[in-house]
Parts: sequence; structure tokens; C-alpha cells
Amino acid sequence: DGGITQSPKYLFRKEGQNVTLSCEQNLNHDAMYWYRQDPGQGLRLIYYSQIVNDFQKGDIAEGYSVSREKKESFPLTVTSAQKNPTAFYLCASSISAAAHSYEQYFGPGTRLTVT
Amino acid sequence: GESVGLHLPTLSVQEGDNSIINCAYSNSASDYFIWYKQESGKGPQFIIDIRSNMDKRQGQRVTVLLNKTVKHLSLQIAATQPGDSAVYFCAEPSGYSTLTFGKGTMLLVSP
Repeated sequence: DGGITQSPKYLFRKEGQNVTLSCEQNLNHDAMYWYRQDPGQGLRLIYYSQIVNDFQKGDIAEGYSVSREKKESFPLTVTSAQKNPTAFYLCASSISAAAHSYEQYFGPGTRLTVT
Repeated sequence: GESVGLHLPTLSVQEGDNSIINCAYSNSASDYFIWYKQESGKGPQFIIDIRSNMDKRQGQRVTVLLNKTVKHLSLQIAATQPGDSAVYFCAEPSGYSTLTFGKGTMLLVSP
């Protein structure tokens, strides 16, 4: 089965701790994305990567970091500098940035709660 | 529609009715649009897309209409079913490979 997996589904952390959210895809997609979703809101882009070993900041990158060492994996770290980290985090991928293929495929999401 | 903070615009319909969900976009140069469906606690799923050289595109029970003059998109769902209850987002390109998503509309289908 091809798809995007995110783990864990629910994550709880104490304030002041960094936490890393996992995202893996076996679709052989070049581009990957991280979004944050707050209740009653749309999706806001945190970081994206068009190719391995390269990534760009999205609209709300402050307090987050990413890496893209492998094509299949794009982990997101929520650092203690992120003021309001509690949210639903969604990972997505798309075939190729070069192909201007805009359709994005989403994972099931991770709900992070920081107290 | 525009977000009103924590409260999404909501459309309530009866099972079997047709539903129309609207979306206004901002960039007149956008050449591609996507509709996504998001069920509670899950990731968004692709429903249908349309390129700007088309006014209408039909899928299974869904139709997307594009009015470039007023920068408006609509998603029509025929014979709405309880399983259609979800939040629906429109999206348009915002960069080389990125999308900007609308705030979403919640569709509630009662039996």
C-alpha cells in the first residue's frame, strides 16, 4: 500500500520540551510539506521541501525545524521556542515540484498537546 | 467564505439534497484549483480539481464550477449522503509548488 504515514496519532508533551513528529512516504514523491491546523481554521504552511537535502520556510516557520536527509522522510521538530504548539499537524507530499504538480497527498495527522 | 475565528461557515442539508459549497479566491492569475474533503480527525482527501481553461468539471456526484470573472469557485455535491459530512477546503497555487488553502466550510448532512 502506498501512502503517507505520520506517527504517533496523539502526542503529549510538557512545555519547554522539544518534540519531533514523524512523516514517511512511499509514493516516491519529491516534494513534502508540513502544515499546522488550529480548530476552525484552514491549513497553514510551516516548512516544505522540494528535494532531498533542501527545504524552505513556509508562512509560520518560527519555532519549528525540519530535515530532509532521505526522500521518504521529512520529520518536523516543534521546539520550545514555539509559543502555541498545541495543534493538529499534517504532513503532505506531491509528485514533483518541477512538474508543477500541485496535488498534495496528506497523511492522517498528529495531534500534539503541550501542557 | 471567510473564517469567523473558531467558527467555520456551516452548511446544513438533508440527506438526498444537493449541496453547494462556495469559495472565493484571491489571485486572478491562479491557473489551477483543488477541492479537498477533511473528515473529523483525519487528513484532507483530494476530491476534484479544475484548470483555469475550464468553467466546469464533473466527477462522481461532484461538480466544480469556476467563474474567473468574479474569482469564485463552487463545489456541488449531488444527492448528499451522511458520509459527505466533513469540512471542505478549496486550494490554489501560492508558489512554485505550494498551495494556499481557504478557511473551509463545514457540511452537515442529517438523515
